[in-house]
Amino acid sequence: GDSVTQMEGPVTLSEEAFLTINCTYTATGYPSLFWYVQYPGEGLQLLLKATKADDKGSNKGFEATYRKETTSFHLEKGSVQVSDSAVYFCAQKGNQGGKLIFGQGTELSVKP
Amino acid sequence: GAVVSQHPSWVICKSGTSVKIECRSLDFQATTMFWYRQFPKQSLMLMATSNEGSKATYEQGVEKDKFLINHASLTLSTLTVTSAHPEDSSFYICSASPGGSYEQYFGPGTRLTVT
Repeated sequence: GDSVTQMEGPVTLSEEAFLTINCTYTATGYPSLFWYVQYPGEGLQLLLKATKADDKGSNKGFEATYRKETTSFHLEKGSVQVSDSAVYFCAQKGNQGGKLIFGQGTELSVKP
Repeated sequence: GAVVSQHPSWVICKSGTSVKIECRSLDFQATTMFWYRQFPKQSLMLMATSNEGSKATYEQGVEKDKFLINHASLTLSTLTVTSAHPEDSSFYICSASPGGSYEQYFGPGTRLTVT
């Protein structure tokens, strides 16, 4: 079935370091892809999305490109801040009646 | 815009009792609402999908008699955990989708602890 796989965390970086969180998916069709962020004690917030191949989603310095050939949607940020510390979830939404399928989440901790 | 609230934000109940969690869309009408369960340091697991005015569709393995979902209006859905047990302790998150949109807007979650 359709699924999403993320790199395991936790990921610990120093402030201003470069961030990559890998995400790959399996799908029978052409899903829309999402990154959500969950700050401690809060619900999920949509960070960015891409709806078709080669689309690049971007927001708050984060970006991810929908790569159909590698079935990937890796999240990147050039310079992380302490305030970026959170759990990041990759997700897809395909042809299953509107259901979002989440990866397991990757915890990011940014140290000053 | 697109704010979803949940109430309560946390609740502690005794084993064998029932607890109700509310999910409200504050500034839009939600034709579809979703209920998820999240275990510590794990992903969100979809429990059920509810459309206003109709019965909820439960995911495989979710007991519909234990997790009662009501979506009585376009702005309110409730999840009732009946005869709660310690293994029901979890973080429950709802999301809501406006009519005609595939976007899901998430609530802040409710932490349930069953003692």
